Amino acid sequence: QVQLVQSGVEVKKPGAAVKVSCTASGYTFANYDISWVRQAPGQGLEWMGWISGENGDTNYAQKVQGRVTLTTDTSTSTAYMELTSLGPDDTAVYYCARGAAATGYHYWGQGTLVTVSS
Amino acid sequence: QSVLTQPPSVSGAPGQRVTISCTGRSSNIGAGYDVNWYQQLPGAAPKLLIYNNYNRPSGVPERFSASKSGTSASLAIIGLQAEDEADYYCQFYDINLSGFGVFGGGTKLTVL
Repeated sequence: QVQLVQSGVEVKKPGAAVKVSCTASGYTFANYDISWVRQAPGQGLEWMGWISGENGDTNYAQKVQGRVTLTTDTSTSTAYMELTSLGPDDTAVYYCARGAAATGYHYWGQGTLVTVSS
Repeated sequence: QSVLTQPPSVSGAPGQRVTISCTGRSSNIGAGYDVNWYQQLPGAAPKLLIYNNYNRPSGVPERFSASKSGTSASLAIIGLQAEDEADYYCQFYDINLSGFGVFGGGTKLTVL
């Protein structure tokens, strides 16, 4: 069965960077896109970006453009989301999801809590 | 503030039918972009309920259905059950906005 397993809880200081991993299993990794969505405490879902499983093309939300980088390692079926220059507003649960906005996100990781605090 | 507007909350008694609206614009839903719906149970990751406007992934009960008309979309739940109490989000793809993915603000469904 399809599974997306994310890395564990992160606590970072303002100005630092965080890199969250998302390891896929149960399907051919390169055949599907990976998207990243975050959810601040008590808030709704916020789309962050997308990376093509086929060719590594990316697109990022304007709000995090310039601070976020999405990459994949097809040899380990793992996707990564790196966010730099962290601020308190970046405190959220970060989810990876298989799929793209047009066709829906059919499978989700369990989420990774990132807390930014001095 | 999302470009997709959902009511903050809806409620219904067990067995009843509830609907959740998702209002967009002529530049997004009204332009023919497909709408997807997600259910998020407390403390859990979101789960896809409906994709491409009307389609249910395998395993999603037939009690959940969706429609789209003009600049709005709706999710309907019939035979409401206690376990349906969750947050529901609409989502669509808009190449003209700041990113490709847009979520509605979410609707909290309370089962009375």
